[in-house]
Amino acid sequence: GQSLEQPSEVTAVEGAIVQINCTYQTSGFYGLSWYQQHDGGAPTFLSYNALDGLEETGRFSSFLSRSDSYGYLLLQELQMKDSASYFCAVPFNNQGGKLIFGQGTELSVKP
Amino acid sequence: EAGVTQFPSHSVIEKGQTVTLRCDPISGHDNLYWYRRVMGKEIKFLLHFVKESKQDESGMPNNRFLAERTGGTYSTLKVQPAELEDSGVYFCASSQDGAQNTEAFFGQGTRLTVV
Repeated sequence: GQSLEQPSEVTAVEGAIVQINCTYQTSGFYGLSWYQQHDGGAPTFLSYNALDGLEETGRFSSFLSRSDSYGYLLLQELQMKDSASYFCAVPFNNQGGKLIFGQGTELSVKP
Repeated sequence: EAGVTQFPSHSVIEKGQTVTLRCDPISGHDNLYWYRRVMGKEIKFLLHFVKESKQDESGMPNNRFLAERTGGTYSTLKVQPAELEDSGVYFCASSQDGAQNTEAFFGQGTRLTVV
């Protein structure tokens, strides 16, 4: 089977840096995605890593190490609006299509 | 450009009743997915349409769930009869192609409560 593990919740203060980790067990690996979901809203795509290394997009960065079956999402200069749930996800196969999601990490940003 | 829209946003029904959820994908997106999140757990795949054809329905829990996408545009997901364990948030997503690096656009979900 395929599974992804991420912490259930993380708390940080405004202006800080937070790292949300994701470890995965998959029969095949085709990349790691991150989605953000604000309470009651639609999950929105943040990033996709197919290769090892760090991808930076503004205050958010995503890292992948395929040899360690591990990735993380790094959020810098935290803002109150970053409070949300963050999901890591992997494609089920190389045909694309369905995603397998982790359970989500609820990030609370405090003043 | 309109995003993925889902209707209704909330639904409360009694056990044994029928509910139909609707999803309008982004125009031109051939790929349409249904997912479900049960309280506090992961978002789980239900099924995948490519145009009007069911590409993968391996995630459908049982035969009480029926999904259709007539004409390859909007999709409906019917639950009949509903059970308590069907409660959760049902998300629809669409994408232009099915490649693994393609961003999937999600709707805001339908929160279904079965009492």
